[in-house]
Amino acid sequence: NAGVTQTPKFQVLKTGQSMTLQCAQDMNHNSMYWYRQDPGMGLRLIYYSASEGTTDKGEVPNGYNVSRLNKREFSLRLESAAPSQTSVYFCASSWGYSNQPQHFGDGTRLSIL
Amino acid sequence: RKEVEQDPGPFNVPEGATVAFNCTYSNSASQSFFWYRQDCRKEPKLLMSVYSSGNEDGRFTAQLNRASQYISLLIRDSKLSDSATYLCVVMSTNAGKSTFGDGTTLTVKP
Repeated sequence: NAGVTQTPKFQVLKTGQSMTLQCAQDMNHNSMYWYRQDPGMGLRLIYYSASEGTTDKGEVPNGYNVSRLNKREFSLRLESAAPSQTSVYFCASSWGYSNQPQHFGDGTRLSIL
Repeated sequence: RKEVEQDPGPFNVPEGATVAFNCTYSNSASQSFFWYRQDCRKEPKLLMSVYSSGNEDGRFTAQLNRASQYISLLIRDSKLSDSATYLCVVMSTNAGKSTFGDGTTLTVKP
C-alpha cells in the first residue's frame, strides 16, 4: 500500500545549496503535482504534470524546476535554495480526470538556513 | 478574491455537537468538489467527494449548491478524533488540477 512515496522526509540546507526532492507513485496515475504548505497556510501548487512528458507551472513556480522522469516519478529541484523556500512540500498524484481526487505523499519538511 | 474561500475558524465544539463548514468558489465552470482532512503536520487525506445530489458517509454529510457556488460539510455527533483541519477542494477539467481552500480548523473538546 505504498501509494505516493516522497524522499527525503526531512532536510536542512544552507542558502545557495541545491537539492532534488523525489516523488514516486505506484497507482499508475497519469497526473502528478508538487505543492508547498507554509505554517498556518493552505496548499499552493508549484508545478504539475498532466501526463508523462508534460509539465506546467502552478501558482508559485519561481525558484523551482521539475522533471517527469517517467509515469511513476516526478521530481522537484531547488537550484539555489533560499530561506523563503523553507516549507513542507507535498507530492500528489491522480488519474487526471475531473472527478478523480488527488492522493498525497506524507511530505518533505525542508528547512533552509 | 481567492478562488476558493473557507472560514478559517477555529471552531471549538464539545463532543457530540453538530458543526457545519461552508466553502465558496468563484469559478462557475468548476466540475468536481471534495473535502479533505489534514491532521497537524500530516498530509491531506480525502474525506469525501461532494456530489450534486448531496451525499452522506456515516456522520458526515456533504452538499453542493451550484447556483450559489458553495459546498458544505456537516459533522454530526462530533468525536475528539474529528479534531483536524478540513480542506475544501475544487477541481477544473484541466488535468485534474485542484484548487485548495486554506482550511477550517476544528477542535472537539471533551
